[in-house]
Amino acid sequence: DTGVSQDPRHKITKRGQNVTFRCDPISEHNRLYWYRQTLGQGPEFLTYFQNEAQLEKSRLLSDRFSAERPKGSFSTLEIQRTEQGDSAMYLCASSLDGQNTEAFFGQGTRLTVV
Amino acid sequence: AQTVTQSQPEMSVQEAETVTLSCTYDTSESNYYLFWYKQPPSRQMILVIRQEAYKQQNATENRFSVNFQKAAKSFSLKISDSQLGDTAMYFCAFIINNNDMRFGAGTRLTVKP
Repeated sequence: DTGVSQDPRHKITKRGQNVTFRCDPISEHNRLYWYRQTLGQGPEFLTYFQNEAQLEKSRLLSDRFSAERPKGSFSTLEIQRTEQGDSAMYLCASSLDGQNTEAFFGQGTRLTVV
Repeated sequence: AQTVTQSQPEMSVQEAETVTLSCTYDTSESNYYLFWYKQPPSRQMILVIRQEAYKQQNATENRFSVNFQKAAKSFSLKISDSQLGDTAMYFCAFIINNNDMRFGAGTRLTVKP
């Protein structure tokens, strides 16, 4: 297992198109997080899963955003009708359950909406 | 609101010197954990150090240590003997009641030769 992987690494899309990102966590990790990060800022929480259950969603996650983790393994984040303001780095992290455990991050998917 | 605040957007330090990065947080809960993460340029985020809120003893990891002041809700990171490889964004974060992890805005640290 080489850690958390995200695909694609880069995505350029036209405004109004839909995009989907994938995250493969470390295999035994049951917790998975999605964050959005703009240049020079900290990661903004979007949502997280405990196994296949989506436990919390940020108010930042408008109805154009949806995330799934169907079998408690990989996760997808879909953005519908993309807007220029959606341009950002989308980070995925995974961890074992428990708040004292380390979260391992992927390298992120950089989205550019033109 | 449960927030994390890093008041120093940028800092610099000479190689081999010591630098302290500040972090304050706001929560009324008693069950939480605090973290410092490092994000080197164009590389992924990695954990530097963590602190359990119920422990009074400050955590230490080699050249990295924290000053945890629970009453003041302060959690600063001290880097001793700074190295060029310490150049990165540093983020303070917490998890409260085993919920999601929240981050501060970050401090950009530059270590100068």
